[in-house]
Amino acid sequence: DVKVTQSSRYLVKRTGEKVFLECVQDMDHENMFWYRQDPGLGLRLIYFSYDVKMKEKGDIPEGYSVSREKKERFSLILESASTNQTSMYLCASRDPGQGTSEQYFGPGTRLTVT
Amino acid sequence: AQRVTQPEKLLSVFKGAPVELKCNYSYSGSPELFWYVQYSRQRLQLLLRHISRESIKGFTADLNKGETSFHLKKPFAQEEDSAMYYCALLRASGSRLTFGEGTQLTVNP
Repeated sequence: DVKVTQSSRYLVKRTGEKVFLECVQDMDHENMFWYRQDPGLGLRLIYFSYDVKMKEKGDIPEGYSVSREKKERFSLILESASTNQTSMYLCASRDPGQGTSEQYFGPGTRLTVT
Repeated sequence: AQRVTQPEKLLSVFKGAPVELKCNYSYSGSPELFWYVQYSRQRLQLLLRHISRESIKGFTADLNKGETSFHLKKPFAQEEDSAMYYCALLRASGSRLTFGEGTQLTVNP
């Protein structure tokens, strides 16, 4: 059973702080993704990673960066948090060799920036 | 560019009634379509995919390329179907999913 974990369920940060959101998957998946989930907007892709040290911008990368030094871990970084980054953040992983194309999601981190 | 639209943000039905959650997409190639579901306090999970042509928890969805739609249907809704539903599109030979805005389904007793 695929397990995707995120370091925090709830996080409160101040404007201007540097924020790290961590995601770990235990199934040796090559692809990993970061989304933000907002009511009425659905899920929007921030960044994704094809494999270790490989990353690609998603639809809303502004204000974010990512790091993938190890296959199992994908970090999302908010360089200088702003109130409009208050949101639910979801991490997902996928095995591109698996025929189903299914993405497996973590439980989410609800970030509040004050 | 691809786009997925779910026109209903909220949908409320009574238990035992039929339910249809609408999904329309725009994409010039041959997409792969999915429905994901998020029950209260649970993580987002795959419900079904069009290529499998399967029925999961009584739900089915047919890809209509002419109308570019992938509506999710269930003939008799149950209270445990209450959840947020997302339609998603995967481009051919791609890894990125494009999600719709989501539909919050409430099944009333």
